[in-house]
Amino acid sequence: QQQVKQSPQSLIVQKGGISIINCAYENTAFDYFPWYQQFPGKGPALLIAIRPDVSEKKEGRFTISFNKSAKQFSLHIMDSQPGDSATYFCAATGAGGYQKVTFGIGTKLQVIP
Amino acid sequence: KAGVTQTPRYLIKTRGQQVTLSCSPISGHRSVSWYQQTPGQGLQFLFEYFSETQRNKGNFPGRFSGRQFSNSRSEMNVSTLELGDSALYLCASSLGGPELETQYFGPGTRLLVL
Repeated sequence: QQQVKQSPQSLIVQKGGISIINCAYENTAFDYFPWYQQFPGKGPALLIAIRPDVSEKKEGRFTISFNKSAKQFSLHIMDSQPGDSATYFCAATGAGGYQKVTFGIGTKLQVIP
Repeated sequence: KAGVTQTPRYLIKTRGQQVTLSCSPISGHRSVSWYQQTPGQGLQFLFEYFSETQRNKGNFPGRFSGRQFSNSRSEMNVSTLELGDSALYLCASSLGGPELETQYFGPGTRLLVL
């Protein structure tokens, strides 16, 4: 049972375009929603995160949009660059401690020049 | 400050064997969580140790076990290996308190079961 559903699983975007990854969760006990970025051969690294009392959070070219009533959230990468090519995971935590993170399946993003 | 380290980085085992993976957390971190990453299932939570005690557990069979030492280093053991155990095993460390905090991941140990 996947508690955090993520789509698409792969995404190809041209340089300068907008990359959009969507996630939906089921457990209303989740109260923290981080996004992780993973490069080949590396562990995931925290990219940006949001709490459900905020509808949007922006950090540089990365923006999270959060819809609490729909239990959905998304990551937008503006002006996508080849260096953004990586696998992105949405996640949710807070139900049973912040050390137990439930991840989406991941989205492999390729930004082509 | 050194990051999370995992050893070994790569392992090849055969079905039925057992394996032990090691994780050294960031200095001062007392919580270590373990995750299994596969292409089909993504990242799945195995368990978390805090102050030498298992505090959280995911939905994995009893063949998967772990422990934590007084210096917060953690080991994960998988007994009676199956082909489906082939995966990247990641550990993550954090301070472990009740407040919201970031987990820091190691590079993982890639296990191949033949």
